[in-house]
Amino acid sequence: DTEVTQTPKHLVMGMTNKKSLKCEQHMGHRAMYWYKQKAKKPPELMFVYSYEKLSINESVPSRFSPECPNSSLLNLHLHALQPEDSALYLCASSQGLAGIAKNIQYFGAGTRLSVL
Amino acid sequence: SQQGEEDPQALSIQEGENATMNCSYKTSINNLQWYRQNSGRGLVHLILIRSNEREKHSGRLRVTLDTSKKSSSLLITASRAADTASYFCATDSLYGSGNTGKLIFGQGTTLQVKP
Repeated sequence: DTEVTQTPKHLVMGMTNKKSLKCEQHMGHRAMYWYKQKAKKPPELMFVYSYEKLSINESVPSRFSPECPNSSLLNLHLHALQPEDSALYLCASSQGLAGIAKNIQYFGAGTRLSVL
Repeated sequence: SQQGEEDPQALSIQEGENATMNCSYKTSINNLQWYRQNSGRGLVHLILIRSNEREKHSGRLRVTLDTSKKSSSLLITASRAADTASYFCATDSLYGSGNTGKLIFGQGTTLQVKP
């Protein structure tokens, strides 16, 4: 099973709403990632978790709050977002952080987020 | 920040033709990867080439790496309509972020293969 599952596929929210994105993998991977991708642009790294601990926060605004409840799950909590936060949010996982083939990343299909 | 530059930005070819995409990067690397992304979907890993390798093949894919020029190319031979997608190179920096898992993606090449 090389699947990373993201839910929901689509999300529309107002600027005062609180919502969460969910990501799940059962490959035994110990590193998980959140990316933001705007149209016709490459993915931009937001957060990296390694062994359920946050290892990288790419200066992401606090209205995005990641959580890693266990080694298979990764959440992204959203609160008071702005219209410019509308994007495709991608989750990925890898065996580890470094070493040959360990940082090959497996991506979910993404959540298409629209902030009104 | 995105260190990779890819060219061309867009490429349109007929089915059966070969497609070549180029990627340049700025820092020393451990390895370089290529990913494909179908429209609005997640990225799919295609191939990884180590910094001490010069060429690698996988099916219809051929990747080259020139570390002296800090550049890589992806060749797709005998293209098919199903190859229509965006293609991104991604590097992990040898220094600084070398052990963080952070990949730095190129700007991407959008490939259209016409049937």
